[in-house]
Amino acid sequence: DSGVTQTPKHLITATGQRVTLRCSPRSGDLSVYWYQQSLDQGLQFLIQYYNGEERAKGNILERFSAQQFPDLHSELNLSSLELGDSALYFCASSVRAGLDTGELFFGEGSRLTVL
Amino acid sequence: AQTVTQSQPEMSVQEAETVTLSCTYDTSESDYYLFWYKQPPSRQMILVIRQEAYKQQNATENRFSVNFQKAAKSFSLKISDSQLGDAAMYFCAYIRGATNKLIFGTGTLLAVQP
Repeated sequence: DSGVTQTPKHLITATGQRVTLRCSPRSGDLSVYWYQQSLDQGLQFLIQYYNGEERAKGNILERFSAQQFPDLHSELNLSSLELGDSALYFCASSVRAGLDTGELFFGEGSRLTVL
Repeated sequence: AQTVTQSQPEMSVQEAETVTLSCTYDTSESDYYLFWYKQPPSRQMILVIRQEAYKQQNATENRFSVNFQKAAKSFSLKISDSQLGDAAMYFCAYIRGATNKLIFGTGTLLAVQP
C-alpha cells in the first residue's frame, strides 16, 4: 500500500458528462501529480500541484481541470467527456516539488469508461 | 524533445532465470534521472530502481540491477532469479533535473513461467 488513495476505483459514464476524480496523497506529501494511462497514448503526465499551487503542466486538455485543496487532497475534473477519455487516471504524490529522487508514490488509479 | 523507447512489448522468462529489459532514451541534457517502475495486475505503479545520470556506477536493488550506458543512452533492467511475483508491466522513465515531468516508455509486459 503506497498510502495514496484514489476514488472512485471504477467509473462508467456517458459522453458529454462530467466527472470528478479524487486523490488523497500520502501523509506529509505536498506534491500531487495526475497521470493518464491509455492504450494508445501510454502514460501521460497531466498536471502537478505543490502545496495548493499548480507547479507543472503536461498534456492536459482544456476540458480537464484540477485543484489541490488546503488539506492537500486533489481533484481532477473531466468535462464534456468523449470516448477517447476512457483511461486509467493515476494520482501520485511526493514530499517535495522536484522529482529528482524518483520517490513518486502512485495510487491504484481510477478506471474511467466513457460509453 | 525527450523520449523513452522500450522496444520489447512482451518478454517471458522461466522462474529462477535471468531476464533483461531494454530501454533507450533521447536527451540533450546532462543532468537527468532514470527509473524503472513496475505495474502489477493490481495496477499500482511501484518504483523498482533509480539511476542518477552523473553516477557511473550501476544501481542495484537486491535482484534488480541496471546497465546504464550513458554514451549510448541505454538503460536496461536485469532481473535475476526471477520470481512469479515479478510478472508485471515494466516501465522505463526519465526525468530532467529540476523538472517535474516524468516521461514514461510504452512498457514491457513480463511473464514469468513456472
